[in-house]
Amino acid sequence: NAGVTQTPKFQVLKTGQSMTLQCAQDMNHNSMYWYRQDPGMGLRLIYYSASEGTTDKGEVPNGYNVSRLNKREFSLRLESAAPSQTSVYFCASSEAPAEKGHEQYFGPGTRLTVT
Amino acid sequence: QQPVQSPQAVILREGEDAVINCSSSKALYSVHWYRQKHGEAPVFLMILLKGGEQKGHEKISASFNEKKQQSSLYLTASQLSYSGTYFCGTEIWGSARQLTFGSGTQLTVLP
Repeated sequence: NAGVTQTPKFQVLKTGQSMTLQCAQDMNHNSMYWYRQDPGMGLRLIYYSASEGTTDKGEVPNGYNVSRLNKREFSLRLESAAPSQTSVYFCASSEAPAEKGHEQYFGPGTRLTVT
Repeated sequence: QQPVQSPQAVILREGEDAVINCSSSKALYSVHWYRQKHGEAPVFLMILLKGGEQKGHEKISASFNEKKQQSSLYLTASQLSYSGTYFCGTEIWGSARQLTFGSGTQLTVLP
């Protein structure tokens, strides 16, 4: 039982390049989330998927797109990377949306640097 | 809408107690607490729901004042392993399905 896995762990991009961050969970959770964490700013929600087949914007969605590929996998795409997107990206999952009072389980993170 | 945490940082000796606070200007449905060690992912500690229900680790205690939209996390007889950054995440009533996290409280426990 691996929990939440993310790939890659580290990535360096040049401005304008694109990439996809992958996330998978093996806990049969319905809800999945993408956060970014900048120094001293806590976690900010980019996008979330309350259930398979649905996606919604979070607090900071600009410059990102997501795909809920199936119940296990939720990917985050940067179409044209910018230095402001340098951050640590965390994927998380929960049995149900936050409104049901379910804890979120976080992946190990992807450290992205855009030069 | 980001909750406000206080203090921003605290340094303790082993065995001492600490309280971390989280407050919101909006009516809350729930408050979540997580701890993150340097370079690692956040780890769940506790959920406090409107109406009084709580879920979490037995050794962690917290409170949720629904009238004031405030929550406090109580760390008693601190251990070295308690060191890390503590985040509260709030779920605003009527704006469900997502958490908004505070900027964190950095806790350092010294021997």
